[in-house]
Amino acid sequence: KAGVTQTPRYLIKTRGQQVTLSCSPISGHRSVSWYQQTPGQGLQFLFEYFSETQRNKGNFPGRFSGRQFSNSRSEMNVSTLELGDSALYLCASSFLSVEETQYFGPGTRLLVL
Amino acid sequence: EDQVTQSPEALRLQEGESSSLNCSYTVSGLRGLFWYRQDPGKGPEFLFTLYSAGEEKEKERLKATLTKKESFLHITAPKPEDSATYLCAVRLNTGFQKLVFGTGTRLLVSP
Repeated sequence: KAGVTQTPRYLIKTRGQQVTLSCSPISGHRSVSWYQQTPGQGLQFLFEYFSETQRNKGNFPGRFSGRQFSNSRSEMNVSTLELGDSALYLCASSFLSVEETQYFGPGTRLLVL
Repeated sequence: EDQVTQSPEALRLQEGESSSLNCSYTVSGLRGLFWYRQDPGKGPEFLFTLYSAGEEKEKERLKATLTKKESFLHITAPKPEDSATYLCAVRLNTGFQKLVFGTGTRLLVSP
């Protein structure tokens, strides 16, 4: 079974721009969660989507948003990029929304200049 | 506030030298403790899930244990390929999939 895939793998943007990252979960998985990983803060939860609905959101500003499609694929968007948004963005999927192990993708490395 | 603390931050071992990594947590309600391994430039790779105090799981040279306040990842006779960052995470009793992560232990095993 193919794992979680994320595109693109690397991205360079400048301040003020916006970016969209994509995540395809493991086949059959319906829950997709997004995390931001930085050297200073570690892994921090952004949001979770299940059946096209956002179920939970972390403590991030409204510039961070996401959505999920009917085929469970998910996208996250960051508008008005700041230097501090440079990070590894990780997507994780699970079969259901609770009591399930999350499996992570390889991440998208975003550099904001 | 829900908090997960891992120690040590970094650990250097000789091949074959067994040791343990610690993950202590202060959370309002626990619905699972997870161990992941992360190699540089890659996403976390799932290792174990523990749900209740006294539970133990094993995989090759790794063994994870859980008490009411902490978890240990025991590494027996490590090999250089065990070098990685080991992450501990807890899922809270909120009914959602949010994981709260510790900052990890960077393990280096020298031949």
